[in-house]
Amino acid sequence: EVQLVQSGVEVKKPGESLRISCQTSGYVFTNYWIGWMRQVPGKGLEWVGIIYPHDSHTRYSPSFQGQVTISVDKPLVTAHLQWSSLKASDTGMYYCVRPLYSGSYCMAYWGQGTLVTVSS
Amino acid sequence: QSALTQPASVSGSPGQSVTISCTGTSGDVGTYNFVSWYQQHPGKAPKLLIFEVSQRPSGVSDRFSGSKSGNTASLTISGLRAEDAADYYCCSYGGSDSFLWVFGEGTKLTVL
Repeated sequence: EVQLVQSGVEVKKPGESLRISCQTSGYVFTNYWIGWMRQVPGKGLEWVGIIYPHDSHTRYSPSFQGQVTISVDKPLVTAHLQWSSLKASDTGMYYCVRPLYSGSYCMAYWGQGTLVTVSS
Repeated sequence: QSALTQPASVSGSPGQSVTISCTGTSGDVGTYNFVSWYQQHPGKAPKLLIFEVSQRPSGVSDRFSGSKSGNTASLTISGLRAEDAADYYCCSYGGSDSFLWVFGEGTKLTVL
């Protein structure tokens, strides 16, 4: 069974750094891209970026380019999303996602979400 | 690239059918058959209902169906049930490295 299990709730201050995680299981990690999506409370979904674990190639949404970094730890079959200096506008629920099949553009598997709150 | 346009809300009675539209452009919905639909209940992660315009993943009820005409995709829910009350989002491949995906703003379905 494919599972994506994310790290827990984070409450941070502006300017702090943060890394959240998405641990995978039930499939060959390097065969599928992993993506991150954001949902601001009460709002819709936005794509943050994706990474191809086999070569760590990344693609970022223009809205998030330069603001976040996506990486993977292949031995731990885990993906990470990190910020070096958080802003209040980074507040939201972040989901990691995996496609249905390797060439697919739909998000078939979702983590449970990590709520990130940035407030002074 | 602008968000896909969905109605803010739709409603229907149990047993009825409802259709949610999702309008994009010739640069996304109109060109690519990579339209997907997601259902989200409050406090839960989204769930994939439809992919590639009209395909249902294993385990999704056949009461959910998808279609596309021109720049507009549609999700139809037949035989409405109370548990269908949720937010629904459409998503399309954006056709470029910069805009890999474009999402709709979401539609709240109320089952009367």
